[in-house]
Amino acid sequence: GENVEQHPSTLSVQEGDSAVIKCTYSDSASNYFPWYKQELGKRPQLIIDIRSNVGEKKDQRIAVTLNKTAKHFSLHITETQPEDSAVYFCAASKGGTDSWGKFQFGAGTQVVVTP
Amino acid sequence: EAQVTQNPRYLITVTGKKLTVTCSQNMNHEYMSWYRQDPGLGLRQIYYSMNVEVTDKGDVPEGYKVSRKEKRNFPLILESPSPNQTSLYFCASQGTHSYGYTFGSGTRLTVV
Repeated sequence: GENVEQHPSTLSVQEGDSAVIKCTYSDSASNYFPWYKQELGKRPQLIIDIRSNVGEKKDQRIAVTLNKTAKHFSLHITETQPEDSAVYFCAASKGGTDSWGKFQFGAGTQVVVTP
Repeated sequence: EAQVTQNPRYLITVTGKKLTVTCSQNMNHEYMSWYRQDPGLGLRQIYYSMNVEVTDKGDVPEGYKVSRKEKRNFPLILESPSPNQTSLYFCASQGTHSYGYTFGSGTRLTVV
């Protein structure tokens, strides 16, 4: 089955710096890769996603890149702000009618942005 | 308001006492799923459902049951809870034409 590894497990950055989180996946059939942000005591929320036919996607200060050959995808946060402090999860799914709801999540990255 | 509603938010129970955590979504989503979240392990899928009466095991289904008799509801049943099922549980739903799951607020379960 699919296995998703996420690094680093914790990331401390100064406000204004960039943060990068990397995930690798094992199943080459995976074709959809969402990222979730979970603030303390709250539910995970989708912040950005990418499909396998796209190499990069950007939404304001966050971007995701995908390298299908190497089977890894990364989340980039630029100009970090204190409100970016949270746990970030990557996930992978193979899509298709039977697999669309089946996601494998990474273990999460605790991001701390210090003023 | 589009949402996934889980109940209860907090539950403390004793080993072996059957319990049900309810989950309901109002977005007419086909896909629903249960996850448990444990420190250092991320979110692990327990069961998921592709539609009414169609369910499948996730990565950690042992000790859990689910049912999908109606599209909007997807209850999680623990027939005989054990302390290793102490965890934070999330229900989530996703539509066929939407991307990514919408999560409920979570249920923190403690089994003593």
